[in-house]
Amino acid sequence: DVKVTQSSRYLVKRTGEKVFLECVQDMDHENMFWYRQDPGLGLRLIYFSYDVKMKEKGDIPEGYSVSREKKERFSLILESASTNQTSMYLCASRSALYTFGSGTRLTVV
Amino acid sequence: QKEVEQNSGPLSVPEGAIASLNCTYSDRGSQSFFWYRQYSGKSPELIMSIYSNGDKEDGRFTAQLNKASQYVSLLIRDSQPSDSATYLCAGELTGNQFYFGTGTSLTVIP
Repeated sequence: DVKVTQSSRYLVKRTGEKVFLECVQDMDHENMFWYRQDPGLGLRLIYFSYDVKMKEKGDIPEGYSVSREKKERFSLILESASTNQTSMYLCASRSALYTFGSGTRLTVV
Repeated sequence: QKEVEQNSGPLSVPEGAIASLNCTYSDRGSQSFFWYRQYSGKSPELIMSIYSNGDKEDGRFTAQLNKASQYVSLLIRDSQPSDSATYLCAGELTGNQFYFGTGTSLTVIP
């Protein structure tokens, strides 16, 4: 089974901090994605990547950046965390089907 | 118009009843559709995929696809309290773009 691992289940950060969310997949997938999920808004795509060192903006990239230095690892970076970035963050990996990580619930105070 | 739309619910059904979840999509060229189940605080997990018109059955779950009317549905027979979750409809649209609906919350009442 494809495994997508997110390094933290829960994080609490202060406004203005730089935050790193890590995601690792073990099935050599080229496609990786970062979503945030908020009540009533569903899954919203932040960034995605189809290959190493490649990145594309999704629907809501503002305030975020990403890094993909190795195929198995896709990192989401909040350059300066703000309270409106409090959310559930989901990483996904994909060949034909999406597989999601367990999610990181980030609270910015 | 969103690419994939769902009624957000909430939908409540009694235990043992049939739960019917619906989804419409805007891209007529879409080929593949998926239903994900998401328990509270957990990540989505794939439960059904459907690629051609008609019905696809897997245990108590039946996915239905009607490309002419551009809708996808999920039927859950003999609903159980453990089926209580949010169900996400997703479509792979032309251009290999993948879109999720906002989800329908289902509660099965014992």
